Amino acid sequence: QKEVEQNSGPLSVPEGAIASLNCTYSDRGSQSFFWYRQYSGKSPELIMSIYSNGDKEDGRFTAQLNKASQYVSLLIRDSQPSDSATYLCAVNIRGQAGTALIFGKGTTLSVSS
Amino acid sequence: GAVVSQHPSWVICKSGTSVKIECRSLDFQATTMFWYRQFPKQSLMLMATSNEGSKATYEQGVEKDKFLINHASLTLSTLTVTSAHPEDSSFYICSAGGALNTEAFFGQGTRLTVV
Repeated sequence: QKEVEQNSGPLSVPEGAIASLNCTYSDRGSQSFFWYRQYSGKSPELIMSIYSNGDKEDGRFTAQLNKASQYVSLLIRDSQPSDSATYLCAVNIRGQAGTALIFGKGTTLSVSS
Repeated sequence: GAVVSQHPSWVICKSGTSVKIECRSLDFQATTMFWYRQFPKQSLMLMATSNEGSKATYEQGVEKDKFLINHASLTLSTLTVTSAHPEDSSFYICSAGGALNTEAFFGQGTRLTVV
């Protein structure tokens, strides 16, 4: 069974700190990896996508992928209270457009001011 | 990013009635859309894959006769919860991906409460 695992948290960091969110996946053949942010009662919002090993940076967000370790992470620099949300790791196993994503249970991040 | 619109955003219905939820792709054609369900403090669970012009593909454990999916055009998929019961109360979310990308874009979600 294809699985995506995340630490449910909550992860608490002070404002301005770096928040580190981690995710592991079971299918070694997985091709595409995503981080979504979900506020309570709202639908997920795409934050980052990453497809190859290494780091990908976008503003305060950095995604890291290590396919050999089946591990993907998200770093949030200069964390803000508005970053407080649940972060969902998602994997597109087939790596094909139009195929469904498998989601982890999400990590709840709390940034205190 | 692509825009996916879902309607209604919330609905309250009586037990035994049916509820229809619409999902539209506004700026692209989606041959495939996905329906997810999310219970409180749980992750998104894929219910079914909606295919334009053909039958939907349901995940294991999802009753196809209870959750009717219609994908009659390249921009619209509907999910009908038939004979709803309180245990069907949940957050239902649709998604679609662009033709060239593997990421998913989500509708606003529908909060269904069955009383």
